Amino acid sequence: EAGVTQFPSHSVIEKGQTVTLRCDPISGHDNLYWYRRVMGKEIKFLLHFVKESKQDESGMPNNRFLAERTGGTYSTLKVQPAELEDSGVYFCASSQDSTTSGGAGDFEQFFGPGTRLTVL
Amino acid sequence: AQSVTQLGSHVSVSEGALVLLRCNYSSSVPPYLFWYVQYPNQGLQLLLKYTSAATLVKGINGFEAEFKKSETSFHLTKPSAHMSDAAEYFCAVSYSGGSNYKLTFGKGTLLTVNP
Repeated sequence: EAGVTQFPSHSVIEKGQTVTLRCDPISGHDNLYWYRRVMGKEIKFLLHFVKESKQDESGMPNNRFLAERTGGTYSTLKVQPAELEDSGVYFCASSQDSTTSGGAGDFEQFFGPGTRLTVL
Repeated sequence: AQSVTQLGSHVSVSEGALVLLRCNYSSSVPPYLFWYVQYPNQGLQLLLKYTSAATLVKGINGFEAEFKKSETSFHLTKPSAHMSDAAEYFCAVSYSGGSNYKLTFGKGTLLTVNP
């Protein structure tokens, strides 16, 4: 079974440019999460999709970030325009629907390898 | 609100020695607790999880953790460190907010294993 994949693995852009990160979750996983780790800080939640719907986007830093999940499959996270403080590693994770995965607690999130974004 | 504190950003042990990585949490509701590991150039991998069943949880690669409600702790241990255990370890907490089990992470502990 293929795991969570993310593209690109690295991206270096200049301040003011646009970057789009992609995440392909494990097939059949309804839940998709985005997280970010800024250097020296903890990994922080950005948002959560259930299928194509945004369930919780309370962690999105500002309106320069736009996440989509068309058709409930892969997701994209666009940063436009990028700022220096957006640099970090962006992780994507997916999990099954908790009602079909064995109930409360059996909802392991499977993480992708991350995209390292550097804004110069 | 939830929070996680990992004591020690960097822990160094000798091969064969006990590994102890500390994690304390704060949660207003019964939590689910996790330890993840990140090896160099790889994604996060789940080591073990506590979901209100047994308080002593066994995970992969010989790791285990004990949930202590009175101490709000979930420390990770391994009796004998191996060189391959060198990685960054993250403690995380979650709780059921409907279908949203978003994770709140600690800052991570980098484990170095010396020969």
